[in-house]
Amino acid sequence: EVQLLESGGGLVQPGGSLRLSCAASGFTFSNYAMTWVRQAPGKGLEWVSGISERGGSTYYADSVKGRFTISRDDSKNTLYLQMHSPRAEDTAIYHCAKTPTPLLSGSYPDYWGQGILVTVSS
Amino acid sequence: EIVMTQSPATLSVSPGERATLSCRASQSVSSNLAWYQQKAGQAPRLLIYGASTRATGVPVRFSGSGSGAEFTLTISSLQSEDFAVYFCHQYNSWPRTFGQGTKVEIK
Repeated sequence: EVQLLESGGGLVQPGGSLRLSCAASGFTFSNYAMTWVRQAPGKGLEWVSGISERGGSTYYADSVKGRFTISRDDSKNTLYLQMHSPRAEDTAIYHCAKTPTPLLSGSYPDYWGQGILVTVSS
Repeated sequence: EIVMTQSPATLSVSPGERATLSCRASQSVSSNLAWYQQKAGQAPRLLIYGASTRATGVPVRFSGSGSGAEFTLTISSLQSEDFAVYFCHQYNSWPRTFGQGTKVEIK
């Protein structure tokens, strides 16, 4: 059974930093591209970032480009999202999600974690 | 950026009835369109990918159709567990985008 468990969320001040982690199990993590998708309170879904197998390719939404960094550690079956200089508008539940392919091209999330809340506020 | 527009925002349906949800893209996404179901407090669940292929374990009452810029998710006979929010998602172009969701509620 595919399981994705996010951690590292919480309250962060604007301009601070926070690192989210996503521990994966139930599949061969290194073989698949992974993504982060967020959901602001009461809002819809926003794709944030994606990383291909072995980290060869990364993509970011314009809203986070230059501030967030996605990475993965295949030896630990873990996906990360480093958030630098977060803003109030980054407040959301952050879901990590697996895709069914090694590459991000033409791929979509097929399994999702429950999500972790990040609140950006002073 | 491709804008995904879902309609209606809310759909009131009686159990056993058919529900038809629409998703329109601001430009063609070919068949690179997925549908997700989300219940309150839960992670989204993949229902349909490739516009019309049911994901593993998804009941046959869920069906997807369309290509290009117009898509439809049909739930043939609503069950109590189907009342939820449904999102469409295009994965044809960067950045990936989602529709704003259609809430299917009990009439």
